[in-house]
Amino acid sequence: ETGVTQTPRHLVMGMTNKKSLKCEQHLGHNAMYWYKQSAKKPLELMFVYNFKEQTENNSVPSRFSPECPNSSHLFLHLHTLQPEDSALYLCASSQDSATWDTQYFGPGTRLTVL
Amino acid sequence: QQQVKQSPQSLIVQKGGISIINCAYENTAFDYFPWYQQFPGKGPALLIAIRPDVSEKKEGRFTISFNKSAKQFSLHIMDSQPGDSATYFCAATGLGARNAGNNRKLIWGLGTSLAVNP
Repeated sequence: ETGVTQTPRHLVMGMTNKKSLKCEQHLGHNAMYWYKQSAKKPLELMFVYNFKEQTENNSVPSRFSPECPNSSHLFLHLHTLQPEDSALYLCASSQDSATWDTQYFGPGTRLTVL
Repeated sequence: QQQVKQSPQSLIVQKGGISIINCAYENTAFDYFPWYQQFPGKGPALLIAIRPDVSEKKEGRFTISFNKSAKQFSLHIMDSQPGDSATYFCAATGLGARNAGNNRKLIWGLGTSLAVNP
């Protein structure tokens, strides 16, 4: 196991719902990431947190709202999503986002927006 | 300049055969080239990585070949096994992939779905 856990593993929500994705890393890392993985597209980096500070928002729509209360936990709050937001959402962590370190991924949350 | 082009999109290989996946990049500032392996229901996991100071790196049955002048790198899986069936992603990063916040961003290929027949 990679040491990065994500819950829930599957989520189905309507466009008017509000839900949250949770990620926890047990690796002692300082950087955490949210990615979106869709078929036939490269992995899309959404957000980066380094030492609990957001260091990147990759032009992500405001219906996605990240939260990083500490270096071990990362949330992605979802509201009024669109069907095209259906995808696998991956969380990853690394030692530090400014230098190059291996990213360790969680298993992802498969999100379906109806 | 930020793209990494990966081919083929899918690959079928017989057990014991050699699987070859190719990637090409444009940005000469890239200096780290990892390959990630993703099984269904799992996140990607680092398989092997290379820096441009060497032309080849081997770990077990997995080898990266790197051609700096052509800006290409490839993954070779020798003696492919059914357990190797997965999606493989190449990626690249380096000084040219830093953003305004100074993160080193991984630029990903589209992935190759490998099926190894028994």
